[in-house]
Amino acid sequence: TQLLEQSPQFLSIQEGENLTVYCNSSSVFSSLQWYRQEPGEGPVLLVTVVTGGEVKKLKRLTFQFGDARKDSSLHITAAQPGDTGLYLCAGRTGAGSYQLTFGKGTKLSVIP
Amino acid sequence: NAGVMQNPRHLVRRRGQEARLRCSPVKGHSHVYWYRQLPEEGLKFMVYLQKENIIDESGMPKERFSAEFPKEGPSILRIQQVVRGDSAAYFCASSPVLLRESNQPQHFGDGTRLSIL
Repeated sequence: TQLLEQSPQFLSIQEGENLTVYCNSSSVFSSLQWYRQEPGEGPVLLVTVVTGGEVKKLKRLTFQFGDARKDSSLHITAAQPGDTGLYLCAGRTGAGSYQLTFGKGTKLSVIP
Repeated sequence: NAGVMQNPRHLVRRRGQEARLRCSPVKGHSHVYWYRQLPEEGLKFMVYLQKENIIDESGMPKERFSAEFPKEGPSILRIQQVVRGDSAAYFCASSPVLLRESNQPQHFGDGTRLSIL
């Protein structure tokens, strides 16, 4: 059973366009993280969201945690080729949990 | 991913052989986590270790897989009698403290790509 569903699975856009990717679950998470993973490398943490409704910005990236803490979104403004990569969301189901549950990811390609 | 060092980066084994994957955590980190990433799949938790202790191995297959994190040296993930289905990328992550005591993230290494012929 896939606890975290990410959509879309693949996304190819032109440089300068905006995009949103989603991470959804029927479970409540105590915290949720977004990672970016490039081919041949490990995931690199972008952000952690903890509070329902929380919005965090990282330059052109905006992360939102759903009010019920079951879903999250990542919005990229004016995408650049350097944004290309696999975006993974990962959640912890309890405050005492150290296990990260990962989604399958959204593979983003930004075409110059 | 400066800090967590995994080696080898690529490992090729024939069916029935043993695979040993090593992970040196970030200096000062005493908590290590192993994850497996199958093609087109997300990372799946395997095992959580502290120095000389296995804390949670609920994600690890019951047979052929074992992990250790000795007092000295790297953490080792060992797969005996490998089969084709073991082909995957294996990632190690580390943290300085028990994660429930802080919001600190796990720092991931660049993984070992295991291929079984």
